[in-house]
Amino acid sequence: QKEVEQNSGPLSVPEGAIASLNCTYSDRGSQSFFWYRQYSGKSPELIMFIYSNGDKEDGRFTAQLNKASQYVSLLIRDSQPSDSATYLCAVNRGSTLGRLYFGRGTQLTVWP
Amino acid sequence: DGGITQSPKYLFRKEGQNVTLSCEQNLNHDAMYWYRQDPGQGLRLIYYSQIVNDFQKGDIAEGYSVSREKKESFPLTVTSAQKNPTAFYLCASSGTGSSYNSPLHFGNGTRLTVT
Repeated sequence: QKEVEQNSGPLSVPEGAIASLNCTYSDRGSQSFFWYRQYSGKSPELIMFIYSNGDKEDGRFTAQLNKASQYVSLLIRDSQPSDSATYLCAVNRGSTLGRLYFGRGTQLTVWP
Repeated sequence: DGGITQSPKYLFRKEGQNVTLSCEQNLNHDAMYWYRQDPGQGLRLIYYSQIVNDFQKGDIAEGYSVSREKKESFPLTVTSAQKNPTAFYLCASSGTGSSYNSPLHFGNGTRLTVT
């Protein structure tokens, strides 16, 4: 079982819709969870992180964490064509300072 | 402006040659990392360093070597022993705050092609 699993997609939504990206992880001791956005040919950039159960909102983005279910998600409200990218879920298992385990990413396309 | 600089952006080498990828950061971060990304794959950890003069192997260290002589610098050498070196290489760093919540900051990457 992979450390971090994501729906590979591609996920396609119309402009203005809500895009929902999902991620599960295998290690119950995982401490914190990160969402990165990666445009084609570019390096990942941090969108947000979460470490407590529940929701965390930042602008159009909401991260949701359920440690009991070992599940973390990212909602993008009012999706824009500029949100079209690959979204990477990353997990800090707490065993090595700062080390993150990454999923393969979900490719999102927002069409006008 | 603080950040991570990787050079060069593109690198072409012949099979059998060693090549060194540069990574410099001015964020005053203690920890630095090298990841490799292949098409359709997630990021895989090659090496990481939490302090000067110390580094640990990641999940795919075979065929790679690193050094950490200065806090700001963490160069990666891709040796001829690496079977499939063509990939996108990403250098990252993280700060010394609450470690579990320290995100990784990435450089712009080096795309290595070996023929």
